[in-house]
Amino acid sequence: DAGVIQSPRHEVTEMGQEVTLRCKPISGHNSLFWYRQTMMRGLELLIYFNNNVPIDDSGMPEDRFSAKMPNASFSTLKIQPSEPRDSAVYFCASSLFFTGTGVGYEQYFGPGTRLTVT
Amino acid sequence: GNSVTQMEGPVTLSEEAFLTINCTYTATGYPSLFWYVQYPGEGLQLLLKATKADDKGSNKGFEATYRKETTSFHLEKGSVQVSDSAVYFCALSEGFQKLVFGTGTRLLVSP
Repeated sequence: DAGVIQSPRHEVTEMGQEVTLRCKPISGHNSLFWYRQTMMRGLELLIYFNNNVPIDDSGMPEDRFSAKMPNASFSTLKIQPSEPRDSAVYFCASSLFFTGTGVGYEQYFGPGTRLTVT
Repeated sequence: GNSVTQMEGPVTLSEEAFLTINCTYTATGYPSLFWYVQYPGEGLQLLLKATKADDKGSNKGFEATYRKETTSFHLEKGSVQVSDSAVYFCALSEGFQKLVFGTGTRLLVSP
């Protein structure tokens, strides 16, 4: 079975450009998470969705960042305009979440997108 | 707020040596605790977990015990292999879904 798929794997862009990162969660999973990993700040949760609805976006650093999940099999993280300090590895993860119990299970991570903003 | 503190790395060991990576946490309530592993160029993979005090998680020869009295979840392995070289992350869950990660500890195992 395919795991979490992210694209592109590497992105190099110039400051001020728009960047869109894409994620396809594991089929059947109904929770999706976006993380950012940097040397200085480690691994940070940016936003997560349950059943395509954003639940907590308190980790989104600025209004330049936005995330959408138009359907159960696709999500995007957009940075507009991008800045050099956005350079990081961005991970998407998915899991099962049971609404009735409020319990979530193991998060499966994608391979990440390494973003470099020059 | 909730937080996780891990020992700084890198941890450098010879093959077949004993491994301990320390992890302590601060949390309100009773979180679940996790160890994730990240191999070069890959995403994180769940290594083991424990959901309540005194639980022991184990996988692939790695073990960790949820110690509520010392708020710790130290990772151990009796005999490491070169293939165990990776970055290890301790994490706790908030509200069943959100994960709070430690800063990661790099393990380097030489033949």
